[in-house]
Amino acid sequence: QSVVTQPPSASGTPGQRVTISCSGGSSNIGSNTVSWYQQVPETTPKLLIYNDNQRPQGVPDRFSASKSGTSASLAISGLQSEDEADYYCAAWDDSLDAVIFAGGTKLTVL
Amino acid sequence: EAQLVQSGAEVKKPGASVRISCKASGYIFIDYYIHWVRQAPGKGLEWLGLVDPEDDEVVYAENFQGRVSLTADRSTDTSFMEVNNLKSEDTALYFCARKLPVAHDAFDVWGQGTMVTVSS
Repeated sequence: QSVVTQPPSASGTPGQRVTISCSGGSSNIGSNTVSWYQQVPETTPKLLIYNDNQRPQGVPDRFSASKSGTSASLAISGLQSEDEADYYCAAWDDSLDAVIFAGGTKLTVL
Repeated sequence: EAQLVQSGAEVKKPGASVRISCKASGYIFIDYYIHWVRQAPGKGLEWLGLVDPEDDEVVYAENFQGRVSLTADRSTDTSFMEVNNLKSEDTALYFCARKLPVAHDAFDVWGQGTMVTVSS
């Protein structure tokens, strides 16, 4: 089991706002920044958020993120069918000297 | 446009080694660390390690220390990952990814993935 955890699943209806949580510890989220990735099935992961809340160019502002202490969250507003994907949070862990990915959250758009 | 292009799929027997290449283009190779990540079928992302193409510094995930080797060839702008003593559980899609300088874990460009199948 990863030292950084996410709920395995989440769901929402089109237009709704959904959040995905990411929980870690003092050696990872608590002391380093968090990134979020979207992976549509059969495609490569896509960087959605870095440095806790920064969006790369081209990522819609429907995607936002925040961090508090040892937890982070990704919010998707105005949910669309194409948002159906797996979402991963990641952070560097100072104790392990490694990038840690959480197990991923499968988002279903109902 | 920055791009990473990986070598093709591999089928190996247990105990064998595999070497995957990751060729960079569209940016200055030595300015960005290359990280390697794998994804077993139906599973999540797992970080393997990183290489700094500028000075060949490497960091490996503890689980792969001694069995994975990451290198970078500045003459061809290519990074390589070699995995030794393959096991069936190493069957996975292996990705290389470029890391943004501003964060430890922000991978903005990914290779297309190389499927490695380990089977007797």
